[in-house]
Amino acid sequence: DVVMTQSPLSLPVTLGQPASISCRSTQSLVYSDGNTYLNWFQQRPGQSPRRLIYKVSNRDSGVPDRFSGSGSGTDFTLRISRVEAEDVGIYYCMQGTHWPLTFGGGTKVEIK
Amino acid sequence: EVQVVESGGGLVQPGGSLRLSCAASGFTFSSHAMSWVRQAPGKGLEWVSTISSSGYSTFYADSVKGRFTISRDNSKNTLFLQMNSLRADDTAVYYCAKGQQLMDWGQGTLVTVSS
Repeated sequence: DVVMTQSPLSLPVTLGQPASISCRSTQSLVYSDGNTYLNWFQQRPGQSPRRLIYKVSNRDSGVPDRFSGSGSGTDFTLRISRVEAEDVGIYYCMQGTHWPLTFGGGTKVEIK
Repeated sequence: EVQVVESGGGLVQPGGSLRLSCAASGFTFSSHAMSWVRQAPGKGLEWVSTISSSGYSTFYADSVKGRFTISRDNSKNTLFLQMNSLRADDTAVYYCAKGQQLMDWGQGTLVTVSS
């Protein structure tokens, strides 16, 4: 199975400051069709998860442009350019290339 | 607007069975794969199963293979998860999600396995 490793586990951030979450996979996430199926999800307290980013760097509809994704192969990053109060929650990366689908352990973003 | 609404959760004894449903609307259900993902209390997300748009292909996590069965009724825009031989570690909120890449999620339904 592909293991997804996120860091850090916890990320205290000052409002208005940037934040960055790393996600690494034990195998390349490039699929035979040339796409890399790496997704990012946000789960606010008490809510269902919501997808933010798909195929490494594509924002889903309604996602603020302060969220961006980058990376390739086995190394990926989610960045928040200026953290707002509503960004508090747990962020998960997930690979959709190989069966079984696997998630990272999550990164908890909180305000300092 | 895309909507997926799960139902069927509840309290069940170890070894028992439960069938979850997911009613979908706002998109062409028969054109999309569908998935189940679960989250144990206080824990992270775990993929459970995915079914292709036609229902011909199914995929399962090792932890549920042989006990859970995913299926769909495209005429009723509904996804199912039949859960048998339930164990305490199956206790979780079960989410239905659109696609293999989990683009839209429901609110979840809680399954508690306990005597």
